[in-house]
Amino acid sequence: DTAVSQTPKYLVTQMGNDKSIKCEQNLGHDTMYWYKQDSKKFLKIMFSYNNKELIINETVPNRFSPKSPDKAHLNLHINSLELGDSAVYFCASSQGPGSSYEQYFGPGTRLTVT
Amino acid sequence: GESVGLHLPTLSVQEGDNSIINCAYSNSASDYFIWYKQESGKGPQFIIDIRSNMDKRQGQRVTVLLNKTVKHLSLQIAATQPGDSAVYFCAENRVPSGTYKYIFGTGTRLKVLA
Repeated sequence: DTAVSQTPKYLVTQMGNDKSIKCEQNLGHDTMYWYKQDSKKFLKIMFSYNNKELIINETVPNRFSPKSPDKAHLNLHINSLELGDSAVYFCASSQGPGSSYEQYFGPGTRLTVT
Repeated sequence: GESVGLHLPTLSVQEGDNSIINCAYSNSASDYFIWYKQESGKGPQFIIDIRSNMDKRQGQRVTVLLNKTVKHLSLQIAATQPGDSAVYFCAENRVPSGTYKYIFGTGTRLKVLA
């Protein structure tokens, strides 16, 4: 009974391809997030959705497009993959978008672009 | 194996000793702080949090200290155990333009020596 799950766990693909990462949470949370963690372990927020509505959109190339079909799912689609997109991508969820809500993280998806 | 954050600061402690992990934050308007633990191959996991109206909070074997004057946060782990080996991140919750988001620090790797 995993709280936040992501698929796939590993993704190896070539430059120029388009790929998607899926995320699901079974915690009944309203808010979901995508983070990128680089090789130096630096963790940076990319997007956040609250009740299927985009509330945080950091300076991310428009090749990255999040989609939230419902509150329990937040998918990340990446077009025209580049070498610099290689990283671990974490999905997270929280009860709400405000201060003091703990974020629960998924296990991560390691994306390798060759 | 996974890509290691080779440039991460590392703290090595003997099993049974106390550990202190430090974090500096930059925004004096941040009102909420969290410490996360990230084990190898997993997503960050909540350890303990503290609001800006407090200067100390204790959990089970962990204590967080907040010094707002110098914008410094520390995590103390009592009687460090092998299972404490991980990367530890502090995160501050900022409120720029009314949007809540967590800004993560660079992380510290804790190695527990037997």
